[in-house]
Amino acid sequence: GAGVSQSPSNKVTEKGKDVELRCDPISGHTALYWYRQSLGQGLEFLIYFQGNSAPDKSGLPSDRFSAERTGGSVSTLTIQRTQQEDSAVYLCASSLNRGQETQYFGPGTRLLVL
Amino acid sequence: QKEVEQNSGPLSVPEGAIASLNCTYSDRGSQSFFWYRQYSGKSPELIMFIYSNGDKEDGRFTAQLNKASQYVSLLIRDSQPSDSATYLCAVRGPSKAAGNKLTFGGGTRVLVKP
Repeated sequence: GAGVSQSPSNKVTEKGKDVELRCDPISGHTALYWYRQSLGQGLEFLIYFQGNSAPDKSGLPSDRFSAERTGGSVSTLTIQRTQQEDSAVYLCASSLNRGQETQYFGPGTRLLVL
Repeated sequence: QKEVEQNSGPLSVPEGAIASLNCTYSDRGSQSFFWYRQYSGKSPELIMFIYSNGDKEDGRFTAQLNKASQYVSLLIRDSQPSDSATYLCAVRGPSKAAGNKLTFGGGTRVLVKP
């Protein structure tokens, strides 16, 4: 596609429910990143996928968060047993990753946990 | 100490003036540096990247990097109201240690007044 796409654009859920957020990177980009941006805050790294390598999960805030990337393309970020502090905008980015490539961001999913 | 620090602002500049934004980082081994612009409610978009010490110009924007002092700055010449946004500084560390994830500062909000 022309850019990184994410779905849903907005998600409202109740505390304790599980949510799945989807990211479709730019075609041909081998690297995919998830970030979180809480209200008025900077971006917080969550997880990074590069090709078939083991993902860098060092930014995941708890074991309620997980992500997978199937077929080296689409990625799903899952948050189990959501808490109110999980409310944020979840941003996905992709890059070619052949060196010091720029990351291009999707529009984000705005998650609100009631 | 945060890894990447920015003054949160707001930085108020009159239309036509130069806006000067600063960013300091703690990891001396950081290799590449990015400036993103983020409009309210939107995802970050890349303005510039810089890898080497010195200045890099692109249109009305100039990035300046000083690795010895561990700071990177962004100048916006002939500021326009459409430049009003939050500017995010992002740093990529040594590739082996930090992978390709970006560490973001909290952003500087810029307000250009007509």
